[in-house]
Amino acid sequence: DAGVIQSPRHEVTEMGQEVTLRCKPISGHDYLFWYRQTMMRGLELLIYFNNNVPIDDSGMPEDRFSAKMPNASFSTLKIQPSEPRDSAVYFCASSFRVSNSPLHFGNGTRLTVT
Amino acid sequence: EDQVTQSPEALRLQEGESSSLNCSYTVSGLRGLFWYRQDPGKGPEFLFTLYSAGEEKEKERLKATLTKKESFLHITAPKPEDSATYLCAVRRQGAQKLVFGQGTRLTINP
Repeated sequence: DAGVIQSPRHEVTEMGQEVTLRCKPISGHDYLFWYRQTMMRGLELLIYFNNNVPIDDSGMPEDRFSAKMPNASFSTLKIQPSEPRDSAVYFCASSFRVSNSPLHFGNGTRLTVT
Repeated sequence: EDQVTQSPEALRLQEGESSSLNCSYTVSGLRGLFWYRQDPGKGPEFLFTLYSAGEEKEKERLKATLTKKESFLHITAPKPEDSATYLCAVRRQGAQKLVFGQGTRLTINP
């Protein structure tokens, strides 16, 4: 398996623009997670899905952020409108439900909002 | 609220100089403690899961141990390729998400 695939790898946008990040989880995994990593706050969970259904979105910063998982092989994280403080690396991860399995991470999208 | 604190923030060692990284945690009912390695520009890569106090796991030059309040990642005779940020995370009973510490940035000088 190719692992978790994220696109784009880098995104530079201007404040106020819409940004869409994409993720393809590992085939067969039941859970999908979106994390954000910054120097100040480390890795923070934004939202996670189980079988395409959002389970916990308490980490989503505000209404400007939204996430969807229309099917088992695709998820998006959208920021509209974007702000400079959204600049960070956004990671997608997936895991099996059974036996306390670890999360497998993609290589992230580095977002810069100017 | 689950909390994970890692120390030190950064550690610089000479090649072959063994040391340990610390991960202190507070969680209501530990289901698992996870160690990850993260290289620059990459996502975290899974290393170990520890489930209960007293458990140990080994992989090459790395050994992870667990007590009721903390975990240690021991690095024996490290090589420059062991340079990375090491992240610790906890999963509580009944949950699926991981709560991460801030990480320890390890540099091994040749």
